[in-house]
Amino acid sequence: SQELEQSPQSLIVQEGKNLTINCTSSKTLYGLYWYKQKYGEGLIFLMMLQKGGEEKSHEKITAKLDEKKQQSSLHITASQPSHAGIYLCGADTGNQFYFGTGTSLTVIP
Amino acid sequence: KAGVTQTPRYLIKTRGQQVTLSCSPISGHRSVSWYQQTPGQGLQFLFEYFSETQRNKGNFPGRFSGRQFSNSRSEMNVSTLELGDSALYLCASSFQDPAVNEQFFGPGTRLTVL
Repeated sequence: SQELEQSPQSLIVQEGKNLTINCTSSKTLYGLYWYKQKYGEGLIFLMMLQKGGEEKSHEKITAKLDEKKQQSSLHITASQPSHAGIYLCGADTGNQFYFGTGTSLTVIP
Repeated sequence: KAGVTQTPRYLIKTRGQQVTLSCSPISGHRSVSWYQQTPGQGLQFLFEYFSETQRNKGNFPGRFSGRQFSNSRSEMNVSTLELGDSALYLCASSFQDPAVNEQFFGPGTRLTVL
């Protein structure tokens, strides 16, 4: 089965600092999704990556899928309190959608 | 366009009871997926429905079932509730295929089993 490991498990940063979250797959990824979740709420779609080496940015968040398509990173530049939440990567194997273990981000003002 | 809605938002049940959760997808979306989120197991896929048919299924016991209606609304049923079924249940809709179309998530139903 597909497994997605995220690191770190939790992150506490000072406002204005940059940070990176990693998502590593046990198998080749054919589509990698990044979501953000506020505690106890639904998920908000951030980005989808499909091609090896692909990089996408939205506001201060950049995500990249490595060439071998087994790892993705999410980078936040100049973090803000509004970036706080749980970040989840997700992938579809064709018959099931898997989510990563999640990274909890706290941004201290 | 209205988002994905889930009802009820909160539910408290006792062991042995059964529960039905409802999900209304975004208008025009035909695929509805259900997920269970717990602190220990994270977010796990339950099943996906498309055009009233269960297209994919995760590794959950038969106590967990679902269905989809002709208007794409979906219900999820859990019978003989166990304490471990306490979780946030999330529903997501996509246009046709969650593998290629973005999934939009509802706010979730928080189920507590006492």
